[in-house]
Amino acid sequence: QSVLTQPPSMSGAPGQRVIISCTGSSSNIGAGYDVHWYQQLPGTAPKLLIFGDYNRPSGISDRFSGSKSGTSASLAITGLQAEDEAQYYCQSYDRSLSYVFGTGTMVTVL
Amino acid sequence: QVQLQESGPGLVKPLETLSLTCSVSSGSINNYVWSWIRQSPGKGLEWIAFIRYTGSTGYNPSLKSRVTISVDTSKNQFSLKLASVTAADTAMYFCARHVSGATNFFDYWGQGILVTVSS
Repeated sequence: QSVLTQPPSMSGAPGQRVIISCTGSSSNIGAGYDVHWYQQLPGTAPKLLIFGDYNRPSGISDRFSGSKSGTSASLAITGLQAEDEAQYYCQSYDRSLSYVFGTGTMVTVL
Repeated sequence: QVQLQESGPGLVKPLETLSLTCSVSSGSINNYVWSWIRQSPGKGLEWIAFIRYTGSTGYNPSLKSRVTISVDTSKNQFSLKLASVTAADTAMYFCARHVSGATNFFDYWGQGILVTVSS
Protein backbone atom coordinates (compact mmCIF):
# COMPACT_ATOMS: atom_id res chain seq x y z
CA GLN A 1 0.00 0.00 0.00
CA SER A 2 2.88 2.37 0.80
CA VAL A 3 4.17 4.58 -2.01
CA LEU A 4 7.71 4.41 -0.63
CA THR A 5 9.36 1.05 -1.22
CA GLN A 6 12.13 -0.39 0.94
CA PRO A 7 13.80 -3.81 0.90
CA PRO A 8 12.08 -6.03 3.48
CA SER A 9 15.31 -7.09 5.13
CA MET A 10 19.05 -6.55 5.16
CA SER A 11 21.84 -7.98 7.23
CA GLY A 12 25.49 -7.45 7.99
CA ALA A 13 28.25 -8.53 10.31
CA PRO A 14 29.36 -6.29 13.17
CA GLY A 15 31.50 -3.46 11.85
CA GLN A 16 30.15 -3.65 8.31
CA ARG A 17 28.15 -1.03 6.43
CA VAL A 18 24.52 -1.44 5.45
CA ILE A 19 22.69 0.85 3.03
CA ILE A 20 18.89 0.89 3.03
CA SER A 21 17.10 2.27 0.00
CA CYS A 22 13.77 4.10 -0.13
CA THR A 23 12.28 4.34 -3.61
CA GLY A 24 9.50 6.79 -4.36
CA SER A 25 8.18 8.65 -7.38
CA SER A 26 7.74 12.05 -8.97
CA SER A 27 4.86 12.85 -6.59
CA ASN A 28 6.93 12.51 -3.43
CA ILE A 29 10.73 12.18 -3.23
CA GLY A 30 11.16 13.12 -6.89
CA ALA A 31 9.12 16.28 -6.33
CA GLY A 32 11.78 17.48 -3.92
CA TYR A 33 10.08 16.68 -0.64
CA ASP A 34 12.41 15.88 2.23
CA VAL A 35 13.01 12.32 3.38
CA HIS A 36 13.24 11.37 7.05
CA TRP A 37 14.27 8.13 8.68
CA TYR A 38 13.10 6.36 11.83
CA GLN A 39 14.44 3.43 13.83
CA GLN A 40 11.98 1.15 15.59
CA LEU A 41 13.33 -1.29 18.16
CA PRO A 42 11.09 -4.25 19.00
CA GLY A 43 8.11 -3.25 21.10
CA THR A 44 8.87 0.47 21.02
CA ALA A 45 7.75 3.54 19.13
CA PRO A 46 9.66 4.77 16.09
CA LYS A 47 12.55 7.10 16.90
CA LEU A 48 13.67 9.92 14.61
CA LEU A 49 17.06 9.09 13.13
CA ILE A 50 17.50 11.48 10.20
CA PHE A 51 15.46 14.54 9.18
CA GLY A 52 15.61 16.74 6.12
CA ASP A 53 17.38 14.11 4.01
CA TYR A 54 20.68 14.06 5.95
CA ASN A 55 20.40 15.87 9.29
CA ARG A 56 20.85 14.01 12.56
CA PRO A 57 18.94 15.04 15.69
CA SER A 58 20.98 15.66 18.79
CA GLY A 59 22.15 12.41 20.32
CA ILE A 60 22.05 10.31 17.15
CA SER A 61 25.32 8.61 16.31
CA ASP A 62 27.25 9.80 13.26
CA ARG A 63 27.30 6.15 12.15
CA PHE A 64 23.90 6.95 10.65
CA SER A 65 23.79 9.10 7.52
CA GLY A 66 21.19 9.95 4.91
CA SER A 67 21.26 10.95 1.27
CA LYS A 68 18.83 11.56 -1.57
CA SER A 69 18.98 11.50 -5.35
CA GLY A 70 16.16 11.71 -7.87
CA THR A 71 13.22 9.62 -6.71
CA SER A 72 15.18 7.66 -4.08
CA ALA A 73 16.83 8.14 -0.72
CA SER A 74 19.24 6.03 1.30
CA LEU A 75 20.14 5.45 4.91
CA ALA A 76 23.65 4.21 5.59
CA ILE A 77 24.64 2.54 8.82
CA THR A 78 28.40 2.21 9.23
CA GLY A 79 30.24 0.22 11.88
CA LEU A 80 27.19 -1.99 12.38
CA GLN A 81 26.53 -2.86 16.03
CA ALA A 82 24.23 -5.36 17.71
CA GLU A 83 22.12 -2.47 19.05
CA ASP A 84 21.35 -1.42 15.46
CA GLU A 85 19.18 -4.50 14.95
CA ALA A 86 15.79 -2.90 14.36
CA GLN A 87 13.17 -1.95 11.81
CA TYR A 88 13.93 1.18 9.77
CA TYR A 89 11.37 3.36 7.99
CA CYS A 90 11.67 6.28 5.58
CA GLN A 91 9.02 9.01 5.48
CA SER A 92 8.19 11.84 3.12
CA TYR A 93 5.30 13.86 1.75
CA ASP A 94 3.24 12.81 -1.25
CA ARG A 95 1.19 15.33 -3.23
CA SER A 96 -1.90 13.14 -3.27
CA LEU A 97 -1.53 11.04 -0.14
CA SER A 98 -0.02 13.54 2.31
CA TYR A 99 2.51 12.19 4.80
CA VAL A 100 3.69 8.72 3.84
CA PHE A 101 6.00 6.08 5.28
CA GLY A 102 8.11 3.44 3.62
CA THR A 103 7.37 -0.26 3.79
CA GLY A 104 10.10 -0.77 6.37
CA THR A 105 13.40 -2.68 6.42
CA MET A 106 14.44 -5.12 9.12
CA VAL A 107 18.17 -4.94 9.76
CA THR A 108 19.75 -8.03 11.28
CA VAL A 109 23.23 -8.05 12.74
CA LEU A 110 24.82 -11.41 12.04
CA GLN B 1 12.15 16.69 26.69
CA VAL B 2 8.51 16.51 25.74
CA GLN B 3 6.67 13.30 26.60
CA LEU B 4 3.48 11.94 25.05
CA GLN B 5 1.12 9.33 26.47
CA GLU B 6 -1.82 7.74 24.66
CA SER B 7 -4.91 6.61 26.55
CA GLY B 8 -8.24 5.06 25.69
CA PRO B 9 -10.02 1.72 25.33
CA GLY B 10 -7.98 -1.17 24.00
CA LEU B 11 -11.05 -2.92 22.60
CA VAL B 12 -13.69 -1.38 20.37
CA LYS B 13 -16.67 -3.12 18.78
CA PRO B 14 -17.16 -3.07 15.01
CA LEU B 15 -19.04 -0.03 13.69
CA GLU B 16 -18.48 1.88 16.93
CA THR B 17 -16.24 4.92 17.38
CA LEU B 18 -12.64 4.62 18.50
CA SER B 19 -11.66 7.44 20.87
CA LEU B 20 -8.10 8.13 22.01
CA THR B 21 -6.42 10.95 23.90
CA CYS B 22 -2.79 12.01 23.90
CA SER B 23 -1.47 13.82 26.96
CA VAL B 24 1.57 16.02 26.48
CA SER B 25 3.92 16.59 29.39
CA SER B 26 7.28 18.28 30.01
CA GLY B 27 6.31 20.86 27.39
CA SER B 28 3.42 22.95 26.15
CA ILE B 29 1.06 21.88 23.40
CA ASN B 30 1.06 25.49 22.23
CA ASN B 31 3.12 26.59 19.24
CA TYR B 32 3.32 23.07 17.83
CA VAL B 33 1.54 20.68 15.51
CA TRP B 34 0.47 17.23 16.70
CA SER B 35 -0.34 14.04 14.80
CA TRP B 36 -1.84 10.60 15.13
CA ILE B 37 -0.14 7.70 13.35
CA ARG B 38 -1.06 4.03 13.39
CA GLN B 39 0.78 0.82 12.68
CA SER B 40 -0.80 -2.44 11.66
CA PRO B 41 0.87 -5.60 10.33
CA GLY B 42 -0.90 -5.37 7.03
CA LYS B 43 -0.38 -1.69 6.25
CA GLY B 44 2.74 -0.62 8.11
CA LEU B 45 2.90 2.95 9.40
CA GLU B 46 0.02 5.18 8.35
CA TRP B 47 -0.38 8.88 9.15
CA ILE B 48 -3.94 9.65 10.22
CA ALA B 49 -4.30 13.36 10.96
CA PHE B 50 -2.66 16.45 12.43
CA ILE B 51 -3.89 19.39 14.44
CA ARG B 52 -2.24 22.70 15.21
CA TYR B 53 -2.56 24.20 18.65
CA THR B 54 -4.77 26.82 16.99
CA GLY B 55 -7.21 24.08 16.00
CA SER B 56 -6.52 23.90 12.28
CA THR B 57 -6.41 20.33 10.99
CA GLY B 58 -5.26 18.04 8.21
CA TYR B 59 -6.39 14.51 7.41
CA ASN B 60 -5.22 11.48 5.47
CA PRO B 61 -7.50 11.45 2.41
CA SER B 62 -8.17 7.72 2.84
CA LEU B 63 -9.51 8.20 6.38
CA LYS B 64 -10.85 11.74 6.26
CA SER B 65 -14.52 10.80 6.16
CA ARG B 66 -14.27 8.90 9.44
CA VAL B 67 -11.71 10.90 11.45
CA THR B 68 -12.04 13.81 13.83
CA ILE B 69 -9.05 15.32 15.62
CA SER B 70 -9.35 17.93 18.34
CA VAL B 71 -7.15 19.78 20.84
CA ASP B 72 -7.67 20.98 24.41
CA THR B 73 -4.86 23.41 25.17
CA SER B 74 -6.06 23.91 28.76
CA LYS B 75 -5.40 20.22 29.44
CA ASN B 76 -2.34 19.94 27.17
CA GLN B 77 -4.12 17.15 25.30
CA PHE B 78 -5.28 16.30 21.83
CA SER B 79 -7.69 13.59 20.78
CA LEU B 80 -8.66 11.28 17.95
CA LYS B 81 -12.03 9.86 17.01
CA LEU B 82 -12.37 7.24 14.28
CA ALA B 83 -15.93 6.32 13.40
CA SER B 84 -17.45 3.10 12.05
CA VAL B 85 -14.42 0.98 12.81
CA THR B 86 -13.79 -2.45 11.30
CA ALA B 87 -11.19 -5.13 11.87
CA ALA B 88 -8.97 -3.26 9.43
CA ASP B 89 -8.65 -0.48 12.02
CA THR B 90 -6.99 -2.82 14.51
CA ALA B 91 -3.56 -1.32 15.05
CA MET B 92 -1.09 0.28 17.41
CA TYR B 93 -1.98 3.97 17.58
CA PHE B 94 0.77 6.51 18.25
CA CYS B 95 0.55 10.21 18.95
CA ALA B 96 3.51 12.31 17.92
CA ARG B 97 4.80 15.86 17.75
CA HIS B 98 4.77 16.97 14.15
CA VAL B 99 7.50 19.35 13.01
CA SER B 100 5.72 21.33 10.33
CA GLY B 101 6.81 23.85 7.73
CA ALA B 102 9.16 23.58 4.80
CA THR B 103 9.74 20.03 5.98
CA ASN B 104 7.47 17.74 7.94
CA PHE B 105 8.50 14.95 10.28
CA PHE B 106 7.70 13.49 13.70
CA ASP B 107 10.28 14.10 16.39
CA TYR B 108 8.66 12.84 19.59
CA TRP B 109 6.36 9.83 19.85
CA GLY B 110 4.19 8.30 22.53
CA GLN B 111 4.73 4.66 23.42
CA GLY B 112 1.60 3.67 21.53
CA ILE B 113 -1.67 2.02 22.46
CA LEU B 114 -2.95 -1.20 20.92
CA VAL B 115 -6.55 -0.97 19.80
CA THR B 116 -8.36 -4.13 18.73
CA VAL B 117 -11.64 -4.01 16.87
CA SER B 118 -13.68 -7.06 17.77
CA SER B 119 -17.13 -7.99 19.00
